Amino acid sequence: AQTVTQSQPEMSVQEAETVTLSCTYDTSESDYYLFWYKQPPSRQMILVIRQEAYKQQNATENRFSVNFQKAAKSFSLKISDSQLGDAAMYFCAYRSASGIYGGSQGNLIFGKGTKLSVKP
Amino acid sequence: NAGVTQTPKFQVLKTGQSMTLQCAQDMNHNSMYWYRQDPGMGLRLIYYSASEGTTDKGEVPNGYNVSRLNKREFSLRLESAAPSQTSVYFCASSIQGIGPQHFGDGTRLSIL
Repeated sequence: AQTVTQSQPEMSVQEAETVTLSCTYDTSESDYYLFWYKQPPSRQMILVIRQEAYKQQNATENRFSVNFQKAAKSFSLKISDSQLGDAAMYFCAYRSASGIYGGSQGNLIFGKGTKLSVKP
Repeated sequence: NAGVTQTPKFQVLKTGQSMTLQCAQDMNHNSMYWYRQDPGMGLRLIYYSASEGTTDKGEVPNGYNVSRLNKREFSLRLESAAPSQTSVYFCASSIQGIGPQHFGDGTRLSIL
């Protein structure tokens, strides 16, 4: 079974600085997707960025980028120029891509999350 | 465009009461999911429906039932609520096999 581990329960960053959130995963599959979701105090789950395992190029969305190391099974999220609105819980998630529907019907497997605080 | 809509947003139940959480999506997605989120546990899958007419158990299905009423709607039922089911419940949907999951705003459920 696949697992996702976020080893940093809490992180803190100064406004305008850069922070990196860690995520490792365990899988025997070669084709899968990885995601970072943001959950602000409003409780919404907001997709930040996604990465296809077959793509070597790291995904980037504005100030958010990932460092995807497939061999090491590592998927870290870098937030540049941190803003107060970035304060939230961040969840790393894995989804199989095998089969028609996905090996687990497209289900997401989540890590336990990292709480990010941004200091003004 | 509403996306995924969950009702109610908050609910308090007594132990033993029954309750149905409603979820509807307007994105023409085939797959729908129910998760629970507990402190320090992340999100865990309760049940999912890969397509209309099918449902399957996820990681934590005990004490729950689901109904995929049609392509748009996927409900979660607690037949006899227990304090251990106090949690925040999220519904999500996705294009079958591809695309990210889109989440509703969640339902905070407290069982006394």
